Amino acid sequence: KAGVTQTPRYLIKTRGQQVTLSCSPISGHRSVSWYQQTPGQGLQFLFEYFSETQRNKGNFPGRFSGRQFSNSRSEMNVSTLELGDSALYLCASSLGLAGLLETQYFGPGTRLLVL
Amino acid sequence: LAKTTQPISMDSYEGQEVNITCSHNNIATNDYITWYQQFPSQGPRFIIQGYKTKVTNEVASLFIPADRKSSTLSLPRVSLSDTAVYYCLVLGGYQKVTFGIGTKLQVIP
Repeated sequence: KAGVTQTPRYLIKTRGQQVTLSCSPISGHRSVSWYQQTPGQGLQFLFEYFSETQRNKGNFPGRFSGRQFSNSRSEMNVSTLELGDSALYLCASSLGLAGLLETQYFGPGTRLLVL
Repeated sequence: LAKTTQPISMDSYEGQEVNITCSHNNIATNDYITWYQQFPSQGPRFIIQGYKTKVTNEVASLFIPADRKSSTLSLPRVSLSDTAVYYCLVLGGYQKVTFGIGTKLQVIP
């Protein structure tokens, strides 16, 4: 079974721009969660989508948004990029039956650099 | 959401048993304790999950005392490939989750 895939793997943007990251979950998984990882803050939860609905949300500003499609693929968008948004963005998928309590299967991440 | 505290880093020699303790004083009755492992340039990978007493799988053991205010991840006979960051999480279903900084384990030859 193929794992979680994320595209692109690397991205360079400038301040003020917006970016869209994509995540394809493991086949059969209906929950997709997004995380931001930085050296100083560690791994922080952004949000979770299940059946095209945002089910859970972390403490990030509204510039961070996401959506999920009917095939469970998910996109995350960051508008008006700031230097502090430079990070590794990880998505994880799970069956979705028990929320974040389930084992999360992570993708390799998208490394975003904001200049 | 239960806050967790774990050491920032640990060193161990190859072949030794490594125990990483996590403190979670305000764990709720329905919360589970979960550990993830992350190698550089990869996403975290699930290691083990437990509710109480002891859980063992092919890679690790998880010890949880009766009061559940702490837990210990035990890695038997570590090898260089076990060098990674280990995260302790307390999860209760649909709650928000933060992995935090984790414990950086360095295995020395």
